[in-house]
Amino acid sequence: KQEVTQIPAALSVPEGENLVLNCSFTDSAIYNLQWFRQDPGKGLTSLLLIQSSQREQTSGRLNASLDKSSGRSTLYIAASQPGDSATYLCAVTSSNTGKLIFGQGTTLQVKP
Amino acid sequence: NAGVTQTPKFQVLKTGQSMTLQCAQDMNHEYMSWYRQDPGMGLRLIHYSVGAGITDQGEVPNGYNVSRSTTEDFPLRLLSAAPSQTSVYFCASSVLAGGGEQYFGPGTRLTVT
Repeated sequence: KQEVTQIPAALSVPEGENLVLNCSFTDSAIYNLQWFRQDPGKGLTSLLLIQSSQREQTSGRLNASLDKSSGRSTLYIAASQPGDSATYLCAVTSSNTGKLIFGQGTTLQVKP
Repeated sequence: NAGVTQTPKFQVLKTGQSMTLQCAQDMNHEYMSWYRQDPGMGLRLIHYSVGAGITDQGEVPNGYNVSRSTTEDFPLRLLSAAPSQTSVYFCASSVLAGGGEQYFGPGTRLTVT
């Protein structure tokens, strides 16, 4: 059974710092991996989608990498800002079931 | 292009009542799904559909019904609400199962007393 783990569960950093969020998954049979952002009381906003054949994707200050063989992904946020404060979720789409499996998320606080 | 819309935003039900959570998308996506989000449990799949007329169960389907009569709409029905169904419900859609980026609605916050 596919399991997705995100470490750490919470992170607090000063503004301007570069940071890395980690995601690991137990089964490498995936179609893709997606990173989402969720603000308190809001829905999920897609940040980056990495197909299983890709190694990384970039959008602005965000860079996500995927190492399918080791079951790991990282989300790198450069020059963090208070507006980046949110919960970040990673999810994989299982190629066995076609279903999206979520991690528990990392709650990020960026202090001014 | 409104994306994925959900109504209502908030709902309070008494135990035993029934209701329908509405979900619609205007992106012509074939794949639609419903999740519930609970503290400490993350997001869990309730039901999903790979196209009009086709639905299947997810991880936590008990107490919920779905149907998909059109590509655009995917309502979730609570047959007899229970306090354990207090949660935030999200609808999502993508071009196809497995290959596409998933788009989520804003959620419905349901409380069952």
